[in-house]
Amino acid sequence: DTGVSQDPRHKITKRGQNVTFRCDPISEHNRLYWYRQTLGQGPEFLTYFQNEAQLEKSRLLSDRFSAERPKGSFSTLEIQRTEQGDSAMYLCASSLGLDSDQFQQFFGPGTRLTVL
Amino acid sequence: GDSVTQMEGPVTLSEEAFLTINCTYTATGYPSLFWYVQYPGEGLQLLLKATKADDKGSNKGFEATYRKETTSFHLEKGSVQVSDSAVYFCALSGLGNAGKSTFGDGTTLTVKP
Repeated sequence: DTGVSQDPRHKITKRGQNVTFRCDPISEHNRLYWYRQTLGQGPEFLTYFQNEAQLEKSRLLSDRFSAERPKGSFSTLEIQRTEQGDSAMYLCASSLGLDSDQFQQFFGPGTRLTVL
Repeated sequence: GDSVTQMEGPVTLSEEAFLTINCTYTATGYPSLFWYVQYPGEGLQLLLKATKADDKGSNKGFEATYRKETTSFHLEKGSVQVSDSAVYFCALSGLGNAGKSTFGDGTTLTVKP
């Protein structure tokens, strides 16, 4: 069990540039979630996938944000035309499903984005 | 919608002191409850969990009991160590919210020698 991995761990970019983050979930997990965490706050839900289907997007996810999970394995989160307000830690988590004992999500180490 | 409220921090304690961090929640249905810990510059680590009313989660000397009647999940430890210094997040997840996690704002704990 290698856990959830995210790449890169840190990204510094200039305002207006596009960035893409990758998340590799635990292999047998069919649910994958993206969260954003700003300084001094708890993580906030952005979007989630069941297999390759994106089932829900938060209103926090503006049109500049897009996420994919081709083939139901890894996922990417892209931010276009980055703004300074996008600076945050982006967390990915995966889980097995909705059975009551399996609401537990396993979190990756996060990608810290800094927009200059 | 679901929400989690944590006691406001930061919390500063001396080593070997007793720790309580309060957490209350509102949720649809019967969620699972979690405490996560985050060390500086790192991701979230699950500390403990409870999946139904009256369950007690425990790990590394930390405990929390799922109290449905008071909708609470307070974190306790009898004797804290300097290495426990971190940010602690209370969270819930359940069918009523499609398995998404809802987090509190976190409580920063500093333990002084």
